[in-house]
Amino acid sequence: EIVLTQSPGTLSLSPGERATLSCRTSQSVSSRYLAWYQQKPGQAPRLLIYGASSRATGIPDRFSGSGSGTDFTLTITRLEPEDFAVYYCQQYGSSPPHTFGQGTKLEIK
Amino acid sequence: EVQLVQSGAEVKKPGNSLKISCKGSGYKFTSHYIGWVRQMPGKGLEWMGFIYPDDSDTTYSPSFQGQVTILVDKSISTAYLQWSSLKASDTAMYYCARLLGAGHHAFFDYWGQGTLVTVSS
Repeated sequence: EIVLTQSPGTLSLSPGERATLSCRTSQSVSSRYLAWYQQKPGQAPRLLIYGASSRATGIPDRFSGSGSGTDFTLTITRLEPEDFAVYYCQQYGSSPPHTFGQGTKLEIK
Repeated sequence: EVQLVQSGAEVKKPGNSLKISCKGSGYKFTSHYIGWVRQMPGKGLEWMGFIYPDDSDTTYSPSFQGQVTILVDKSISTAYLQWSSLKASDTAMYYCARLLGAGHHAFFDYWGQGTLVTVSS
């Protein structure tokens, strides 16, 4: 089973700033099979990024994903108030289970 | 519009059985895996397993194998998550989600609203 480690656990930033979230996997993730999700309190998760760098339908271009192998990054440029949430990465390149990271909480500073 | 609508919140006692549901609409139900994800109170997301509605091919996480059963009734576009004997530790929010991708290499693109299961004596 591939273990995903997200850092930092909590990120405190102000609207307008840039956020950089990290996801490291215990084994290389083939074909960049990595996704990012956003979850707000009381809501279901929402897909942001798949294939490490492809934005899902309707996701603003201030969200971008990058990386390969074992190191992946979600970048949010110019934070908007609605971006403060918990973010999860997930790998789907190995045989199941397709594990999630433990999450990064992005909070308003 | 793709929608996954889950059944309502449940309160059960330890040892009870339970089956929660997830009804898909707005797409060809038999063409996409449906997966289940657990979120315990205040915790992160845990991948439980998925099922292919067309042939009921099912894969479980080792952590959940033998603890739950994933079922589907493709005639009514509905997937299920079932317990035969609930424990207090099953208290959680459970999400179903549609998978998009190639075979088992698929991510969750649409999510249900979640079903809260509370197990307490």
